[in-house]
Amino acid sequence: GQQVMQIPQYQHVQEGEDFTTYCNSSTTLSNIQWYKQRPGGHPVFLIQLVKSGEVKKQKRLTFQFGEAKKNSSLHITATQTTDVGTYFCAGRRSARQLTFGSGTQLTVLP
Amino acid sequence: DAGVIQSPRHEVTEMGQEVTLRCKPISGHNSLFWYRQTMMRGLELLIYFNNNVPIDDSGMPEDRFSAKMPNASFSTLKIQPSEPRDSAVYFCASRSRVESSGELFFGEGSRLTVL
Repeated sequence: GQQVMQIPQYQHVQEGEDFTTYCNSSTTLSNIQWYKQRPGGHPVFLIQLVKSGEVKKQKRLTFQFGEAKKNSSLHITATQTTDVGTYFCAGRRSARQLTFGSGTQLTVLP
Repeated sequence: DAGVIQSPRHEVTEMGQEVTLRCKPISGHNSLFWYRQTMMRGLELLIYFNNNVPIDDSGMPEDRFSAKMPNASFSTLKIQPSEPRDSAVYFCASRSRVESSGELFFGEGSRLTVL
């Protein structure tokens, strides 16, 4: 079946440092979504990428979708304590439902 | 809009007891999803409904699990009998067919502990 791998599993950064999480699929995806889950909270949608090579920005967050539509990344510039949480990618293959990655848990040290 | 509403928020029960989790999706959303989240297995899709009809229940662990959606504004996930390994956070999510982003709106989850 479809697998979505995400690395790293954990990341500790000093406030102000950058952070990147990577997502890789075993199959070509039709689109990929990113979610953020705060500690004790629920996943909240951040963005969806559809096109090959697509890059989207949301303030300090930059999302990329690979040319082969099998990988994606989320980069946060100059992390803040409000960025703390677990970031999940979720890939969709053709008409199937989303498969969530295992998530990257980000800790930002003040 | 109040968002996706789940109840109970917390449930502690003993092995063998029946557990019923409830979900009210966002009004107008036509797809509803049940997910289970654990440290070991992450977010797993259990079942989803389109227009109140179960489409794919291949993620349901075993016959002890069942889900229903009797109308567009209500769904239940039932575990009978419950086992300690069922302990997890169960999320309900809904999605609008019209929204092009395909965004899933998650409820706050039901944290289940089976002793």
